[in-house]
Amino acid sequence: EAGVAQSPRYKIIEKRQSVAFWCNPISGHATLYWYQQILGQGPKLLIQFQNNGVVDDSQLPKDRFSAERLKGVDSTLKIQPAKLEDSAVYLCASSYVQNTEAFFGQGTRLTVV
Amino acid sequence: DQQVKQNSPSLSVQEGRISILNCDYTNSMFDYFLWYKKYPAEGPTFLISISSIKDKNEDGRFTVFLNKSAKHLSLHIVPSQPGDSAVYFCAASRGADGLTFGKGTHLIIQP
Repeated sequence: EAGVAQSPRYKIIEKRQSVAFWCNPISGHATLYWYQQILGQGPKLLIQFQNNGVVDDSQLPKDRFSAERLKGVDSTLKIQPAKLEDSAVYLCASSYVQNTEAFFGQGTRLTVV
Repeated sequence: DQQVKQNSPSLSVQEGRISILNCDYTNSMFDYFLWYKKYPAEGPTFLISISSIKDKNEDGRFTVFLNKSAKHLSLHIVPSQPGDSAVYFCAASRGADGLTFGKGTHLIIQP
């Protein structure tokens, strides 16, 4: 069974530029999550989708971050404009149903300079 | 406000001995707890979980214990092997909410 796929693996951008990350969850998984992991911290939930509807985006900085999950499968996370403090690993995860174990992708390491 | 706390940033254990990783939480509404293992440059990998209706769950060398009254859980690895060297994250959730993670404990298994 294929795991959660993310791209790109690495991205370096200048502050005030925009960037987008892509995620393809495990087939059949209805729940998709985006997490931000800053160095030395645990992952922090940014947004949770159930199929293509948003369940929780309370910790998403909506003035600069946006996310969508079209057709309830793939998802993209966008940052515009980026700030230095957005430097982190962005992890996508999926689960079959809510409140079960989530499976993570390898993440995208973003460096904002 | 950290709802899930892992107070030991690192832990060193000799190969073959028991590794015990600890985690405390403050939110009494959490009802599902998980441990993840993370190698450098990879995403977290699910290890083991426990529901709040249980106090113990075992899977091979890994056992998770939950003490609800103390709001404390622990992960026991017996015996510890070199491949267990990694960062271990404790996570918790409430209902259909996403996971809340601790900061992680770096486990080092010494030969």
